[in-house]
Amino acid sequence: DVKVTQSSRYLVKRTGEKVFLECVQDMDHENMFWYRQDPGLGLRLIYFSYDVKMKEKGDIPEGYSVSREKKERFSLILESASTNQTSMYLCASSVSQGSHYGYTFGSGTRLTVV
Amino acid sequence: GENVEQHPSTLSVQEGDSAVIKCTYSDSASNYFPWYKQELGKRPQLIIDIRSNVGEKKDQRIAVTLNKTAKHFSLHITETQPEDSAVYFCAASMLAGTYKYIFGTGTRLKVLA
Repeated sequence: DVKVTQSSRYLVKRTGEKVFLECVQDMDHENMFWYRQDPGLGLRLIYFSYDVKMKEKGDIPEGYSVSREKKERFSLILESASTNQTSMYLCASSVSQGSHYGYTFGSGTRLTVV
Repeated sequence: GENVEQHPSTLSVQEGDSAVIKCTYSDSASNYFPWYKQELGKRPQLIIDIRSNVGEKKDQRIAVTLNKTAKHFSLHITETQPEDSAVYFCAASMLAGTYKYIFGTGTRLKVLA
C-alpha cells in the first residue's frame, strides 16, 4: 500500500509565523500535490510537482510556496501565516500519467492560525 | 477557466435506495474522471474512476457513467447502506500531459437507517 504521511495532524500557529507542512510518500511516485479543503469549496490545488526541484502553481498559490529537494518529500510553506489560511491541508501523490492512477492522499493537517 | 461543478451538495436517502451524484466539467480535453469518498475525519479514498474512452464502469454497488458530448459524469450507488454515508468528490483531469485533478465541491451523502 502506498503511504503518504503528513508530519502533523493538528497545528496552531500565530499570525505572521512561517509555517512548514511536510509530506512524505514511500512509493517512488513522481507527482505530488498540495490541496486545501474548506467546507463548501471542495479541494483546491495550491501547488504541485512532477519531479525533484520542479514546481507548478495551482489555482490558489498566493501566500504559499513549496519545496521538493528529494523525490519522496514535498513541503508546503506559508511564508507569513494569516487567519484566512486556517484550513485542512491535504497532500497527495500519484504515478505518472502513463498509468493515470488516482491520487493517494495523506491524512491531512488541520492548521489553525490565530 | 477549468471548472468542475458537482450536485447536489447534500443528499439524504433511505437505506436500500439508490443515490446519484452528478458532475459537469468545462474542458473537453479532460480524459480521466475519478471519484473519491471521504469519511468523517479520514482521508479521501479513490472508489472508482472512468476514462474517456469508456461510457460506463461498474464495481459491485457503485457505477460511474460518462457523457463526453454533454461533458458530464455521474456516480450511482445502489442498495445504499449506512456505511455509504460520507462526502463524495468528483474530479477531472483537465489537460493532456499534466497530472493535476480539478475537484468538485463535494456531496455529503446521508443514508438513513
